[in-house]
Amino acid sequence: DAGVIQSPRHEVTEMGQEVTLRCKPISGHDYLFWYRQTMMRGLELLIYFNNNVPIDDSGMPEDRFSAKMPNASFSTLKIQPSEPRDSAVYFCASSLSNAANYGYTFGSGTRLTVV
Amino acid sequence: DAKTTQPNSMESNEEEPVHLPCNHSTISGTDYIHWYRQLPSQGPEYVIHGLTSNVNNRMASLAIAEDRKSSTLILHRATLRDAAVYYCILEVLNKFYFGSGTKLNVKP
Repeated sequence: DAGVIQSPRHEVTEMGQEVTLRCKPISGHDYLFWYRQTMMRGLELLIYFNNNVPIDDSGMPEDRFSAKMPNASFSTLKIQPSEPRDSAVYFCASSLSNAANYGYTFGSGTRLTVV
Repeated sequence: DAKTTQPNSMESNEEEPVHLPCNHSTISGTDYIHWYRQLPSQGPEYVIHGLTSNVNNRMASLAIAEDRKSSTLILHRATLRDAAVYYCILEVLNKFYFGSGTKLNVKP
């Protein structure tokens, strides 16, 4: 079990550029979550999917952010255009059925720096 | 919108028990209490969770107050590898609400 795999680990981009973060959940997990962590706001849920369908995107900060899950083994979080305030660590997590029974497994995160 | 309150930091001696407190006064009957920890440059890691009864696993114990408005994570023998930020989390309708966490420092 390789766990939740995120890529890239680090991303530095210029303001205005498009950024795509990638996540491969644990095989068989049917929930996928995207979180953002900053010093000021801590860990915030951005969006989550169940069986590849977006269920709650109320945490997505603005229209510049979008997330997709084309199949059960892959998800992307895209920021277009990126801004310096988007600099943060972005985590992907997956779980089986619901966390009440099985808990979440988090990836190692993508550290995004927008300059 | 943090639904839990934890001390910012705590310190423990190696091989001694550690009790990490958490207040969650707005908890409702179906909200689970989760504890995760985060080591530097890593994602949060599951520790334990519960609903009403006290829970034990190989990592820790979770003591939940009778009114469920508070809980305590118990590490029975702290090691240097337990130094991390510990998050007490309420799960509400599949959504985790992270607090600011307690940074645990373990002294040799």
